[in-house]
Amino acid sequence: DAMVIQNPRYQVTQFGKPVTLSCSQTLNHNVMYWYQQKSSQAPKLLFHYYDKDFNNEADTPDNFQSRRPNTSFCFLDIRSPGLGDAAMYLCATSRDDFPGAVYEQYFGPGTRLTVT
Amino acid sequence: KNQVEQSPQSLIILEGKNCTLQCNYTVSPFSNLRWYKQDTGRGPVSLTIMTFSENTKSNGRYTATLDADTKQSSLHITASQLSDSASYICVVSASGGYQKVTFGTGTKLQVIP
Repeated sequence: DAMVIQNPRYQVTQFGKPVTLSCSQTLNHNVMYWYQQKSSQAPKLLFHYYDKDFNNEADTPDNFQSRRPNTSFCFLDIRSPGLGDAAMYLCATSRDDFPGAVYEQYFGPGTRLTVT
Repeated sequence: KNQVEQSPQSLIILEGKNCTLQCNYTVSPFSNLRWYKQDTGRGPVSLTIMTFSENTKSNGRYTATLDADTKQSSLHITASQLSDSASYICVVSASGGYQKVTFGTGTKLQVIP
């Protein structure tokens, strides 16, 4: 019954070694988001896809990239992880079909990234 | 600047007791307000969502209220259980786009036996 699935749940990578986190959804939502959440902080939006259109937040480091090959899948690539990138990474989806509609965000369980 | 502030930052209550969490926001123009429960090491799970015209919404033992005039919301938990131990996050969306979402920093609730 899982609707937003993230793999792996825990990821350990070495400093500077590229890593990819994956997210898939069974909701057929057109919007997918990636958030970074550090301990005791609110999730911070990194970027999102509206359909195939990529939208980067202004303060998201260039080190973070994303791919969305189809509606169901979205990937977060961290090209050269630093110690400060250790965090929980949350994927979320929502449906946005027309202006003024109120849709919820559905979150995945998150991937906990450790950088050694 | 859109902001969402939650209080208290953390709370410890005895099992079976009630508690109320607060959320104040300055998001404008307002579209909707959501409360999420986030267990440690998990993603947030939606509890309630309210639009401008709604001033109360329940989900089991959780009841959320919204006062759009004062820009305040509360989440009341009745007869708390150990499984209620989690962070509760208030999220407010502005009109004009699905992406205009502001998160509060959450209230960490611990229910003890």
